[in-house]
Amino acid sequence: EDQVTQSPEALRLQEGESSSLNCSYTVSGLRGLFWYRQDPGKGPEFLFTLYSAGEEKEKERLKATLTKKESFLHITAPKPEDSATYLCAVQDRNSGNTPLVFGKGTRLSVIA
Amino acid sequence: KAGVTQTPRYLIKTRGQQVTLSCSPISGHRSVSWYQQTPGQGLQFLFEYFSETQRNKGNFPGRFSGRQFSNSRSEMNVSTLELGDSALYLCASRYGGWTEAFFGQGTRLTVV
Repeated sequence: EDQVTQSPEALRLQEGESSSLNCSYTVSGLRGLFWYRQDPGKGPEFLFTLYSAGEEKEKERLKATLTKKESFLHITAPKPEDSATYLCAVQDRNSGNTPLVFGKGTRLSVIA
Repeated sequence: KAGVTQTPRYLIKTRGQQVTLSCSPISGHRSVSWYQQTPGQGLQFLFEYFSETQRNKGNFPGRFSGRQFSNSRSEMNVSTLELGDSALYLCASRYGGWTEAFFGQGTRLTVV
């Protein structure tokens, strides 16, 4: 069974204090790993797709990386507007057209 | 390009009633998935439709059903509502089964 575990559950940072969020996954074969940002009461907003180990993607202060067992979302010099829940999801390549399996997210708070 | 549209945004229903939620995907997207999000369980997959056919189904009781129309718009229905059905219901559209999913803003269902 595909599994996704995100850590920490919650993270509180000072503005400008860089850190990383972790997403560990178990799949028989990875088709893709997806990062989303979700603000309270809203739908998740797509950030990145990673397909193979060693791949990296960047967007503003965010950088996502992928290994064979986990992905990291690095946040450099965060601002209060980066406060949100960050979700990670995987799709298994070996199970046909499977749905995304989501982790429970990391709730990030950036304090000014 | 218009995003994923879900209606209504908010609903309050009484236990035992039924409810229908609607989702209009991004133009050109043929895959529509539905998720239930609660604070304790995170995003739980309900079902996926592709070209009017249900392609995948999650572990939810038969009270939860859905359908997709020829224009790719989708509806989900929950019959005999229970208090535990209170949640944010999210719809996501994808161009194909292997691409990133884009979410709507969700329908917040409260069962009293």
